[in-house]
Amino acid sequence: DAGITQSPRHKVTETGTPVTLRCHQTENHRYMYWYRQDPGHGLRLIHYSYGVKDTDKGEVSDGYSVSRSKTEDFLLTLESATSSQTSVYFCAIRLSGGRETQYFGPGTRLLVL
Amino acid sequence: SQQGEEDPQALSIQEGENATMNCSYKTSINNLQWYRQNSGRGLVHLILIRSNEREKHSGRLRVTLDTSKKSSSLLITASRAADTASYFCATRGNYGQNFVFGPGTRLSVLP
Repeated sequence: DAGITQSPRHKVTETGTPVTLRCHQTENHRYMYWYRQDPGHGLRLIHYSYGVKDTDKGEVSDGYSVSRSKTEDFLLTLESATSSQTSVYFCAIRLSGGRETQYFGPGTRLLVL
Repeated sequence: SQQGEEDPQALSIQEGENATMNCSYKTSINNLQWYRQNSGRGLVHLILIRSNEREKHSGRLRVTLDTSKKSSSLLITASRAADTASYFCATRGNYGQNFVFGPGTRLSVLP
């Protein structure tokens, strides 16, 4: 599992509240990703990072922001949660050196009421 | 735009049978990967095939790639109940683009 943890694993929140999800890795991999998974859509990329303080938008970045102040932590923030952001969120890392495989965390189930 | 599309959406077979899942994509790729997801878990990488390869094997898995048809297939031979999971293909383009996942195939292997 490449030492990837996500916290919290489950969260229920109300519309309009800010939410921050954390992805932590223990092996100093350069590339980190945040995806959301919804029925019928597979995984869709929200944001990704290619180093400390280096981040970029993915396919579905509206309403989300990220930060990476340390190699091991990649934070995903919903500034003002909406019901459409109810989803399962997965963090992933990709090995460096031209390797293509992604390793995924266990996921965070977020319910926005 | 969604790059990969798996087919079928769901597949139910008996233990011991072979399972075949297909993936189609739209643009040129550098590589195509297959992942498995057990219920409530994260995705696990199964196999990667590069655009200059036509077939790869890993244990009971066989992956083929036809770049002229922009399609790939994943064959699981002699399936087991433990193979019950969702299977996703993911593609990566030629210019360092990020991975794009399809919606997945739900495989049920009945004992």
